[in-house]
Amino acid sequence: AQSVTQLGSHVSVSEGALVLLRCNYSSSVPPYLFWYVQYPNQGLQLLLKYTSAATLVKGINGFEAEFKKSETSFHLTKPSAHMSDAAEYFCAVSPSGGSYIPTFGRGTSLIVHP
Amino acid sequence: DTEVTQTPKHLVMGMTNKKSLKCEQHMGHRAMYWYKQKAKKPPELMFVYSYEKLSINESVPSRFSPECPNSSLLNLHLHALQPEDSALYLCASSQFPPDPPGETQYFGPGTRLLVL
Repeated sequence: AQSVTQLGSHVSVSEGALVLLRCNYSSSVPPYLFWYVQYPNQGLQLLLKYTSAATLVKGINGFEAEFKKSETSFHLTKPSAHMSDAAEYFCAVSPSGGSYIPTFGRGTSLIVHP
Repeated sequence: DTEVTQTPKHLVMGMTNKKSLKCEQHMGHRAMYWYKQKAKKPPELMFVYSYEKLSINESVPSRFSPECPNSSLLNLHLHALQPEDSALYLCASSQFPPDPPGETQYFGPGTRLLVL
């Protein structure tokens, strides 16, 4: 069965600093990987996804993630944090065959200080 | 149109009440989902409908009763809930089968439920 581990339940950065949210996956086959963002009192919005086309994936709002098979990682980055990036971020995985329903990580709260 | 809508946005109900949550999408998706989400936790899958048939029930108590009247609508009927059922209830939809593979789910804004 596939799973994801998000390191750090909270990440705190200053406005303008680099954002790095970590996600490691466990899957017996190359998976599909997703990053979702959830703003307060809202549903989940897809930031980006990896579906084996390119290892560096660019998403919305200036976020990107790199799929590294050797490290089983799919970390989310943004060069410069903005106050509006403060939210809950979820990494998710679904296998390339079989069940199509994603498994979510526990989430990371991003806190942005002025 | 890539929107999933949910009504109501907020709901307060007593433990003896009967209420329903509604979800609608017009993307032609043939899979629809109900999730329950507690604060600062990931969504927990409750039910999956594919082609209007219940395909997955994650051992959800019978006080939650899903219904899919047509390919665009999904309801969740609530009866005799407990205070611990208070949560954000999210609806999602997706292509079924996923096309292309790895096709994502689209989430609604959720209904925040408080059971007194």
